[in-house]
Amino acid sequence: ILNVEQSPQSLHVQEGDSTNFTCSFPSSNFYALHWYRWETAKSPEALFVMTLNGDEKKKGRISATLNTKEGYSYLYIKGSQPEDSATYLCALYSGGSNYKLTFGKGTLLTVNP
Amino acid sequence: DTEVTQTPKHLVMGMTNKKSLKCEQHMGHRAMYWYKQKAKKPPELMFVYSYEKLSINESVPSRFSPECPNSSLLNLHLHALQPEDSALYLCASRPGSLSTDTQYFGPGTRLTVL
Repeated sequence: ILNVEQSPQSLHVQEGDSTNFTCSFPSSNFYALHWYRWETAKSPEALFVMTLNGDEKKKGRISATLNTKEGYSYLYIKGSQPEDSATYLCALYSGGSNYKLTFGKGTLLTVNP
Repeated sequence: DTEVTQTPKHLVMGMTNKKSLKCEQHMGHRAMYWYKQKAKKPPELMFVYSYEKLSINESVPSRFSPECPNSSLLNLHLHALQPEDSALYLCASRPGSLSTDTQYFGPGTRLTVL
């Protein structure tokens, strides 16, 4: 059973703060790591798919890094805004033709105005 | 059309009822997924359909019966459920066969079993 861990479980920041959180995963049989942003009552929205060790991806104020050797990925949000409030999920793809994803529990981010 | 739709949004059913959840996508994706998510837990995979054929059943009890009538539609038939089956049921689809292909999710059906 794969274990994908996310920390912290929840986070409260003030508007304008920068923040980051972690996704840890087994480094063996790594194929890809997915990050999703999930606002309440909406569909989870794909942010990044990362495959290469040392990769860094950016989308606006959100960026992510990947270390496949040690089995972790960081998600950074620069200058948090209230609309960034959401649960951020990471999911590991570790091979197989059905592209099964194993999800972490998520980090719930609340940005206070 | 780049979305996955799910109906109904909410469903309350008794343990003797039969109901169905519906998922639809018109993006031409050939893989579709059912996940179950309970509060404070990660989404857990239930079923995968690939090219309209069931390719993964994650040891899901037979009271959940998936069906893929065509490439755009995925149903989940529910019968004789238990209160512990109350959860958010998410549907997703994936375009192709690359490891970098993302899964596109619907907003889910919130199911309550009384």
